[in-house]
Amino acid sequence: KQEVTQIPAALSVPEGENLVLNCSFTDSAIYNLQWFRQDPGKGLTSLLLIQSSQREQTSGRLNASLDKSSGRSTLYIAASQPGDSATYLCAVVAAGNKLTFGGGTRVLVKP
Amino acid sequence: GAVVSQHPSWVICKSGTSVKIECRSLDFQATTMFWYRQFPKQSLMLMATSNEGSKATYEQGVEKDKFLINHASLTLSTLTVTSAHPEDSSFYICSASAGGLSLANEKLFFGSGTQLSVL
Repeated sequence: KQEVTQIPAALSVPEGENLVLNCSFTDSAIYNLQWFRQDPGKGLTSLLLIQSSQREQTSGRLNASLDKSSGRSTLYIAASQPGDSATYLCAVVAAGNKLTFGGGTRVLVKP
Repeated sequence: GAVVSQHPSWVICKSGTSVKIECRSLDFQATTMFWYRQFPKQSLMLMATSNEGSKATYEQGVEKDKFLINHASLTLSTLTVTSAHPEDSSFYICSASAGGLSLANEKLFFGSGTQLSVL
């Protein structure tokens, strides 16, 4: 059974500092890995999708890496802003056509 | 990007009543929709996979008679919580794929969620 873990569970940084969010998964036989953002009481916004054959994806200040063999992904957010405060979730798609989510990392960027 | 609309955003109901939540794909056809449940400060747990024109597939431990799912068209799926009880209070989120059945190469688009509070 696929298990996805995110560390740390919560993170607080001053504005301008870079954010590093970690995600690990137990079964490396995945199709893709996705990072999402969730604001309190809201749905999910897709940030980045990395196919299993890719090593990284970039969008603006966001960069996500994937090391499938070691079961790890890292989301980097450069020059954090207070508007980046949210919960970040990673999820993997594997056989069975299901998205398995990690527990999320709650991020607070202090002005 | 594709838009998924979910209604209502929040609902308060008395114990024993039924509540219906709608999930619509506004600008694409969704052969498959997914329903998730999320408890405070926890991650999303898949409840069921909804396929247009067929019965939903429920995850282990999810009561199909309590959580009725109907996917009557390519743009609408509904989740009905029947005879709701306080332990059913949770945040429910739907999602839809524009790419058909396989998520291997497709993004999922999520609704804004429904906060259900059962008194």
